[in-house]
Amino acid sequence: QIALKESGPTLVKPTQTLTLTCTFSGLSLSTSGVAVGWIRQPPGKALEWLALIYWDDDKRYSPSLKSRLTITRDTSKNQVVLIMTNMDPVDTGTYYCAHSVGATHFDNWGQGTLVTVSS
Amino acid sequence: EIVLTQSPATLSLSPGGRATLSCRASQSVSTYLAWYQQKPGQAPRLLIYGASNRATGIPARFSGSGSGTDFTLTISSLEPEDFAVYYCQQRSDWWTFGQGTKVEIK
Repeated sequence: QIALKESGPTLVKPTQTLTLTCTFSGLSLSTSGVAVGWIRQPPGKALEWLALIYWDDDKRYSPSLKSRLTITRDTSKNQVVLIMTNMDPVDTGTYYCAHSVGATHFDNWGQGTLVTVSS
Repeated sequence: EIVLTQSPATLSLSPGGRATLSCRASQSVSTYLAWYQQKPGQAPRLLIYGASNRATGIPARFSGSGSGTDFTLTISSLEPEDFAVYYCQQRSDWWTFGQGTKVEIK
């Protein structure tokens, strides 16, 4: 059974850097075809895809946020890390990590972690 | 970037009713289209992938259709637990989501 869980700070100040960790079980990011992505959702708004990392360490970023994002993996720890720089209040929202096979859709999601950007 | 437009924004129906949700892509996404259900305070749940394939454990009352730019999610007979927000998502170029359709109790 696949499970994912996000962790990180609940409150960050404007201009700070956010680091979120996705810890997963029941899947291997070394297996061909597997990917893990990050998706966020501002309060009361729609989902927005941020970044994705493939089993072969290939990475994809949202074009609108690419300059601020870094996604990495630690296969020994079963973790994927998302780093977002220069945080702004508009970045407030729930951040989810999710599993994908074939990188076409997300079939297992973490519970999400709410990040508030405020001074 | 491919834009997904969902309609209507809100659908007011009674339990037992039939729900038809639309998702239109700004350019063809072939059948790289998925549907998710999200309830308040919960993560999205995958319902349909590849435009018409039900995900594991999804009841048969949920069905998806379409290809290219026009897609439909149909809930044949609404159960109380089906009242939620539904999102479509494409994976033709990057990954983008529609703005959602809320299915509410009439």
